[in-house]
Amino acid sequence: AQKVTQAQTEISVVEKEDVTLDCVYETRDTTYYLFWYKQPPSGELVFLIRRNSFDEQNEISGRYSWNFQKSTSSFNFTITASQVVDSAVYFCALRPYNQGGKLIFGQGTELSVKP
Amino acid sequence: DGGITQSPKYLFRKEGQNVTLSCEQNLNHDAMYWYRQDPGQGLRLIYYSQIVNDFQKGDIAEGYSVSREKKESFPLTVTSAQKNPTAFYLCASLGDRNTGELFFGEGSRLTVL
Repeated sequence: AQKVTQAQTEISVVEKEDVTLDCVYETRDTTYYLFWYKQPPSGELVFLIRRNSFDEQNEISGRYSWNFQKSTSSFNFTITASQVVDSAVYFCALRPYNQGGKLIFGQGTELSVKP
Repeated sequence: DGGITQSPKYLFRKEGQNVTLSCEQNLNHDAMYWYRQDPGQGLRLIYYSQIVNDFQKGDIAEGYSVSREKKESFPLTVTSAQKNPTAFYLCASLGDRNTGELFFGEGSRLTVL
């Protein structure tokens, strides 16, 4: 079975706090891609990052960082010094091998950053 | 600007009525997708089309229909056979077939009264 689990349904933090969003996935494929998308109140999903299964390097982009660990099948997302504009629903997704745009999404984590 | 346009943004329907959601893209992408979003359930694939005049069922196709007569357009019809149609519907196109990167529209929220 192929599955993505985001165990945190809702997270609430105060501005400037660091926050980590967890993502655990299941797949038997050796080649796959993992994604994080942000969904602001407008509704559109905004692409944040893509990682292929052969690249376990962590990535940092400004206040955002991602920790990919195949040993634990996790792809966690950390926001450093959170801001009110980070408030959104965040989705982790798995693209199995050779499946085009057929992504398997987690349930989403709603992040609320309070001033 | 290039992107995906969905309309209408909000739609109300009486039970027993069919309704069509529009999705137009000017990104010149071949493949397009319809996802349904329900609270706490993430996104689920309804239908997808990899090329004009071709489409396949996704995981929850029952009660829905699509057409792909033009590359730019991929409308979704929610039929009266769909038992629980109230949801948020997202259309996407595939930017990179190798990686699976999707570009999404802003969605259409359908409410059945």
